[in-house]
Amino acid sequence: EVQLVESGGGLVQPGGSLRLSCAASGFTFDNYEMNWVRQAPGKGLEWLSYISSSGSNIYYADSVKGRFTISRDNAKNSLYLHMHSLRAEDTAVYYCAKKGTVVGTIDYWGQGTLVTVSS
Amino acid sequence: QTVVTQEPSLTVSPGGTVTLTCASSTGAVTSGYFPNWFQQKPGQAPRSLIYSTRNKHSWTPARFSASLLGGKAALTLSGVQPEDEADYYCLLYYGGAQVFGGGTKLTVL
Repeated sequence: EVQLVESGGGLVQPGGSLRLSCAASGFTFDNYEMNWVRQAPGKGLEWLSYISSSGSNIYYADSVKGRFTISRDNAKNSLYLHMHSLRAEDTAVYYCAKKGTVVGTIDYWGQGTLVTVSS
Repeated sequence: QTVVTQEPSLTVSPGGTVTLTCASSTGAVTSGYFPNWFQQKPGQAPRSLIYSTRNKHSWTPARFSASLLGGKAALTLSGVQPEDEADYYCLLYYGGAQVFGGGTKLTVL
C-alpha cells in the first residue's frame, strides 16, 4: 500500500524558515517523480514544485521560485521542501504527491501538514 | 501567467448527469496537457480520479468519465450519488510546470 506521510509543519514567524518532509513507503521511491502541492485555508490547490526520480530535474511555480527548494533522499525514501523567507500568504496545508508512470500523472497524495506563518 | 479556469460551482440532482470543464488561458486543451482530475471532500486530502485526459485509476468509480470537449478538458459524472458532493480540481501539464484549475464545488441537491 502506497503511503505518503508529511511532517515538519507548524507555526513560523514571517521571514522564517521551515523544512517539510514526506516519508514514502509501499512503492519503489527512487523510480518515481514527486511533487509538492499546497492549499491555503478555504482556497484551491496550488502546484509548487516537481522533482524527477533522480533529482536531476526540478521545476518550481513562480510564487515560490527562489524561496523554496525541493530535494529528495532516495536512500531514505524521503522528499523534502525547504522553505525560506516565509510570508503570511504561505500559510497552507502542504501535500506531497506521487507521480504515476504516465507523463503528467499524479496518483497518490499524503494527508498534508499545516504551515502557519504568523507573528 | 497561465490560468486554468473551471466553473466555480455546479448543482446536480441525485441520479443526474453533470459535466465539469477545464480551460487553459493558452488556448485549446489537448491531450498533450495530460489533464488530471481530482476530488476533494471537506477535511480530506485530494483523491486522484482521472489521468492523461480520460484514464481512470483502479479506484475511480465507473460513473466518472473524462474527455476533451470544445477545446477544454471535461469530467462527466453520470448517475450522480450524494457522496459525489465535493470540490473537483483539474490539473494541466505545461512541460515542467503544472497548473491547477480554481476548482468546481459540486452540490448534489
